Amino acid sequence: DSGVTQTPKHLITATGQRVTLRCSPRSGDLSVYWYQQSLDQGLQFLIQYYNGEERAKGNILERFSAQQFPDLHSELNLSSLELGDSALYFCASSVEGQARSYNEQFFGPGTRLTVL
Amino acid sequence: AQTVTQSQPEMSVQEAETVTLSCTYDTSESDYYLFWYKQPPSRQMILVIRQEAYKQQNATENRFSVNFQKAAKSFSLKISDSQLGDAAMYFCAYRSDYGQNFVFGPGTRLSVLP
Repeated sequence: DSGVTQTPKHLITATGQRVTLRCSPRSGDLSVYWYQQSLDQGLQFLIQYYNGEERAKGNILERFSAQQFPDLHSELNLSSLELGDSALYFCASSVEGQARSYNEQFFGPGTRLTVL
Repeated sequence: AQTVTQSQPEMSVQEAETVTLSCTYDTSESDYYLFWYKQPPSRQMILVIRQEAYKQQNATENRFSVNFQKAAKSFSLKISDSQLGDAAMYFCAYRSDYGQNFVFGPGTRLSVLP
């Protein structure tokens, strides 16, 4: 158990709908990262938040948005869903990066989104 | 931008034998970190081993070791005495020095044959 929790585990919805994925980081971790893993592919970085502020953006679609709340949990909002959005969405957390530090990312179990 | 390449989509190894998974990366940075993650059928991402670029000594964790060649930008994973539980997808990942996001390779699916 990494200490990172994600809800729900599975989500099935229809095209055009909107869903919210939730992530609670490990206690003490200020950074949250979101990744998307499509079928049998590597993880694609979507977005990072640090202590409530957006820190870095990857290949995140405009239909997707995220936020990190004062209690440090994060939500990823996916709207106008398309079939191609079906994937496993991972959240990871770490302490803030410092030079010459591992800053290992701890991954949650993921949310499997299926868009029908 | 950094890229990570894993040229072996699939590998297989006999139980108790040794296997090496390849990873190459491209970066202009001098300080960074490299990781190998294992993803079993449960889909959980499990850290296997990590390497700091500024350390010349190759990292080792029990049956897992790496061959880090900084000049060649190569970071291979050696699994010794392979076990059935080692069967999984293995991802090589790169991270910059200041806690930025990971860049993952496409993965290598490892099968362990009894």
